[in-house]
This record gives sequence, C-alpha cells and structure tokens, in this order.
Amino acid sequence: SQQGEEDPQALSIQEGENATMNCSYKTSINNLQWYRQNSGRGLVHLILIRSNEREKHSGRLRVTLDTSKKSSSLLITASRAADTASYFCATGPGDGLTFGKGTHLIIQP
Amino acid sequence: NAGVTQTPKFQVLKTGQSMTLQCAQDMNHNSMYWYRQDPGMGLRLIYYSASEGTTDKGEVPNGYNVSRLNKREFSLRLESAAPSQTSVYFCASSDRGTISYEQYFGPGTRLTVT
Repeated sequence: SQQGEEDPQALSIQEGENATMNCSYKTSINNLQWYRQNSGRGLVHLILIRSNEREKHSGRLRVTLDTSKKSSSLLITASRAADTASYFCATGPGDGLTFGKGTHLIIQP
Repeated sequence: NAGVTQTPKFQVLKTGQSMTLQCAQDMNHNSMYWYRQDPGMGLRLIYYSASEGTTDKGEVPNGYNVSRLNKREFSLRLESAAPSQTSVYFCASSDRGTISYEQYFGPGTRLTVT
C-alpha cells in the first residue's frame, strides 16, 4: 500500500516561478525523503528530513515537515526547465522505502 | 565510480519464461533493494537485503526470488514470468550504517511480458 500521497498529481508552471508540492502519509515515520525522477531514468535523492526537524534547505529546495498533520511540502524556487521531472516523497523506518505516486512537474519556458 | 548498475536495460519475455535481473553497486553499501514501478505509480518494494547473507520480503514479493550473491551484487529472478510482471524494475542501495537512509538507484530494467 502507498504510504505517501503527493498532491497535486501534475503541476505546470512558468520558468522562474516557484513550485510547491505536498505529501501526506499515514503512519509514524523516522524520516521523510524526496526524490526526483527524470523521464525514463532512475530516482535521484534530493533531500531527507528527520522526524524531529521542521524545515530543511538545500540549494533551491525547501522542505517542511509537520508530523502532527503527517504532511510534508517541497518548494522549488526559481524553477528551471531542467526541473521538469516527477517528484516522489518516500517514508520508511529504513528497511526499504514506501513511495507515493508522485507529482509530475512541467516547467514551461 | 559507476554507482548502481543494472543489466539488462530492456527485456521482452513470453509468459512462462524465466530470467534474472542483475544489479551491482560499487559504493560498499550494506543494504540493497529491488523495486518495481508501474505506469503512474510510485515504486513498490519487492525484496530487500539489509546486509550480505540476508534477504527479506517487501510489499510485493510474489512471483520473485532474490539472491544476495556478495556485498556488491543482488539479483532478482522471475521463475515463470506473467504479464502482470510487466514493469520497470529498479535496484537501489544504501548504507544503513550512516544516519542517512538515502538510497541510490540504478537506471532500471524495462521488462515486458507478452
């Protein structure tokens, strides 16, 4: 069963705008991770936030975590064409990850 | 440093045929994983190996077997392929010895069962 569910399923924005996608999960977690998948490729790890953290930054990425609401958000600032991809949240205690269905982000030039 | 490699990249099987998907990592990671990804879906865990010599079932293990050949290699076998196993298969590895559970993924194997 899917633990995480991303919202929206698809998002199209203009280059330079910010993109926000959300993830909700069902059970307690140790950490929550975000991955990117370019078309036809494997997944690439973007950022990990631990259950005792509320916000984390990495370059143009900002992730928040609200364990009381069992939700996380990923913000990509100043989007670029190369950011076009599917984004997945993943949760797990460590023995394998449980992925959502992903948000497909399209950056229009 | 190749990271995680998978072979083959593409495969077409007839129903009932068998095959083995190969995966190798050169990062000295302890843990390795096999996932499948169906269209419009996230990845689902098939099997994992937390360390050399151990394997455990994931969410969707039926129809598959695995072998952790050594620390580097983790193979996935389909004994009698079925059309429902048409999917993209990803291998991943991680170093559970660190505080991070970041996983590194291979490029995937696209399998079609007719």
